[in-house]
Amino acid sequence: DTGVSQNPRHKITKRGQNVTFRCDPISEHNRLYWYRQTLGQGPEFLTYFQNEAQLEKSRLLSDRFSAERPKGSFSTLEIQRTEQGDSAMYLCASSFYQGFSYGYTFGSGTRLTVV
Amino acid sequence: EDKVVQSPLSLVVHEGDTVTLNCSYEVTNFRSLLWYKQEKKAPTFLFMLTSSGIEKKSGRLSSILDKKELFSILNITATQTGDSAIYLCAPPHNTDKLIFGTGTRLQVFP
Repeated sequence: DTGVSQNPRHKITKRGQNVTFRCDPISEHNRLYWYRQTLGQGPEFLTYFQNEAQLEKSRLLSDRFSAERPKGSFSTLEIQRTEQGDSAMYLCASSFYQGFSYGYTFGSGTRLTVV
Repeated sequence: EDKVVQSPLSLVVHEGDTVTLNCSYEVTNFRSLLWYKQEKKAPTFLFMLTSSGIEKKSGRLSSILDKKELFSILNITATQTGDSAIYLCAPPHNTDKLIFGTGTRLQVFP
């Protein structure tokens, strides 16, 4: 097992374009989380899934953001009509949840720059 | 509202020094607290603390939790340049999302 994998590692896009990021969690993990981290701040929670069900979305997640986890495996995070304020590191994490989260592991992130 | 406050925000030391990083928290239905080290990429797991007063240790790093006073400390002894990083503490919210502080940026110079 190679841990949590995120693609792409870096993305530069023009304002107004749509972008999509992918996260492949650790295969045994049933929970998958998305966080956003801006410079000088800790990661901020965006949303999470248990299997294919999206259980919570932060108010940070505007209607331009959408996340999916079809079949409870990999997940995608799409940002429509990107804005410069969307520039950040987008981190994915996964865990095995059974009353408690075990093995909470982060991927290396996708760094988004909106120009 | 759940919150985590870490101090100091930044710390500059020389190799061999000992440092103490602080984390205070207010979280609904507290169950555990996680410490992570973040260099240039993903946060990497250091410790999970669930019980008060029991020190967790890994090499030169150790951490302890005080559930009564709602804080945790992370100690690093005999610091090395490879310890330079941002150290994050994060208690899971009752829905299991992690609530992060801004972190402590540690710089260790030779």
